[in-house]
Amino acid sequence: SAVISQKPSRDICQRGTSLTIQCQVDSQVTMMFWYRQQPGQSLTLIATANQGSEATYESGFVIDKFPISRPNLTFSTLTVSNMSPEDSSIYLCSVVLGTDTQYFGPGTRLTVL
Amino acid sequence: DAKTTQPTSMDCAEGRAANLPCNHSTISGNEYVYWYRQIHSQGPQYIIHGLKNNETNEMASLIITEDRKSSTLILPHATLRDTAVYYCIVRVDGLTGGGNKLTFGTGTQLKVEL
Repeated sequence: SAVISQKPSRDICQRGTSLTIQCQVDSQVTMMFWYRQQPGQSLTLIATANQGSEATYESGFVIDKFPISRPNLTFSTLTVSNMSPEDSSIYLCSVVLGTDTQYFGPGTRLTVL
Repeated sequence: DAKTTQPTSMDCAEGRAANLPCNHSTISGNEYVYWYRQIHSQGPQYIIHGLKNNETNEMASLIITEDRKSSTLILPHATLRDTAVYYCIVRVDGLTGGGNKLTFGTGTQLKVEL
């Protein structure tokens, strides 16, 4: 496995603002993913972020709302833009290592007031 | 990816084996069975995966039926720290297709009690 860290671990934000979440891995990985987990719900994939290409978004998620950067093989950011209370969730990044297995970061707990 | 069905919740006494079932009757020949767990408010933790043979690692054993339509995750000696939501996920090997995506269902809430 790998050591995956996320910053911030939690935040409380005001409606209409934006928050950028960072995901750092201690080894180089090609595939990274961003997920959202709304309160009491399961995880939903937001997008796939591969280094050297544009992020691929799942149905229901758009780049204007969730812009993603992937500047190198160990780092990615997800921005939650123009936030509303409905964006209150845990946001998680994951990476693919070894024989095709995904490993997850600890998550960022976001509360929007 | 094939759909999975899991019980909503299960209880287990500490020290006993926890057997978590998963039904995946529409699984295809190139789809793997993956198990993850999520301890409250933490990121999901990979447990084990398999294609058709039974698998065992330091965390658990995975038993897949011969027709591959169902599987069971076994935690041999459950402890209080094993209390978590357990997710059974079926997906195509990313090396051959499917893009490594994981589709999470609602999982099984396992509660380990004294």
